[in-house]
Amino acid sequence: NAGVTQTPKFRVLKTGQSMTLLCAQDMNHEYMYWYRQDPGMGLRLIHYSVGEGTTAKGEVPDGYNVSRLKKQNFLLGLESAAPSQTSVYFCASSPTGGNQPQHFGDGTRLSIL
Amino acid sequence: GEDVEQSLFLSVREGDSSVINCTYTDSSSTYLYWYKQEPGAGLQLLTYIFSNMDMKQDQRLTVLLNKKDKHLSLRIADTQTGDSAIYFCAGRGGSGSGDDKIIFGKGTRLHILP
Repeated sequence: NAGVTQTPKFRVLKTGQSMTLLCAQDMNHEYMYWYRQDPGMGLRLIHYSVGEGTTAKGEVPDGYNVSRLKKQNFLLGLESAAPSQTSVYFCASSPTGGNQPQHFGDGTRLSIL
Repeated sequence: GEDVEQSLFLSVREGDSSVINCTYTDSSSTYLYWYKQEPGAGLQLLTYIFSNMDMKQDQRLTVLLNKKDKHLSLRIADTQTGDSAIYFCAGRGGSGSGDDKIIFGKGTRLHILP
């Protein structure tokens, strides 16, 4: 079972560059999430989606955009990367929202120089 | 809004029991979760407990819930080196609408001493 797959696993960018992180899930889950994890900060929700074609802002959405064109994919975009966006990014999915446990990918380690 | 608090570090000798504590603010949380994160990996759901339960046991894991004090704990019996990880407590946050999200604590790093 693949579960939640994130690509790429590692990436180094220069300030001002753009890139897209891809998350794919094969569990037919409705909800998908993007988090960033920084030392001492735990997990912070960036954006989330409650279904195909829908997106919503989380706790720290600035500097990021997302799209959910297909139910199984959730894309996170950085339009103009900044050093403050250096982090480990995790994607998660759940059957529905609220109390459903989330299933996580292995993360994307992103460094902005 | 919901807040989930947990201590950042815990050191335990191999073979002893580990107890990781968590406090939360949202009394309407129906489920409370424990996730485990090993180095270089994502979060893995370890166990969860319904809010109408006081205790849940699953092999070496025991979850205790004190709803009055809004306190959740995870006990790992006979701690092994493979238990070395970051443990996250999580609960539901929000207004009670269908769009509620899970709120994570900052994680407790469990270090196993030989």
